[in-house]
Amino acid sequence: QKEVEQNSGPLSVPEGAIASLNCTYSDRGSQSFFWYRQYSGKSPELIMSIYSNGDKEDGRFTAQLNKASQYVSLLIRDSQPSDSATYLCAVKVGTTDSWGKLQFGAGTQVVVTP
Amino acid sequence: GAVVSQHPSRVICKSGTSVKIECRSLDFQATTMFWYRQFPKQSLMLMATSNEGSKATYEQGVEKDKFLINHASLTLSTLTVTSAHPEDSSFYICSAQGRNGYTFGSGTRLTVV
Repeated sequence: QKEVEQNSGPLSVPEGAIASLNCTYSDRGSQSFFWYRQYSGKSPELIMSIYSNGDKEDGRFTAQLNKASQYVSLLIRDSQPSDSATYLCAVKVGTTDSWGKLQFGAGTQVVVTP
Repeated sequence: GAVVSQHPSRVICKSGTSVKIECRSLDFQATTMFWYRQFPKQSLMLMATSNEGSKATYEQGVEKDKFLINHASLTLSTLTVTSAHPEDSSFYICSAQGRNGYTFGSGTRLTVV
């Protein structure tokens, strides 16, 4: 069983619509969660981090965390063609805060169509 | 913001030779450096974790004698792929953990011919 699971996609979204991405994780003790965007051939760039249950908004992005259900989601509002990328869900694992490693999901490819 | 400089961005080497990849944290001290490998259409797979001044911790299945990691200072970590083979061709990415979280390098595309 994979520790961090995402739908691989591609998720096709019309320009201006909302893209909804989901991620589930297996380690119930995980406390830190991250969404990264990765363009083809580039390294990941951080979109958002979330640590508490509920919603966290940053511009057009909203992350949602539900620790009881072990899922974290990302909503992209008013999707733009420049949002077309692979979105990686990452969960911090490890027993010490000083060097917790990240476990990545396989990523969801998003394609925003004009 | 925090910046990690990774070099080279692309390298082509002959089978059997060694390649060194450098990651430098430019404006912060990286207590921990993570090295990832990413094959096409796949996610990032953690190879090893290194703390400054100590031996790296390798993930299961990663050969420590083949992928040499040196983290001699709080701002520099290197990954050396020794006796490279075509199956080592991949995208290698470092990530430094500082006070404000994780910062990724720009990645190194390694092609072994």
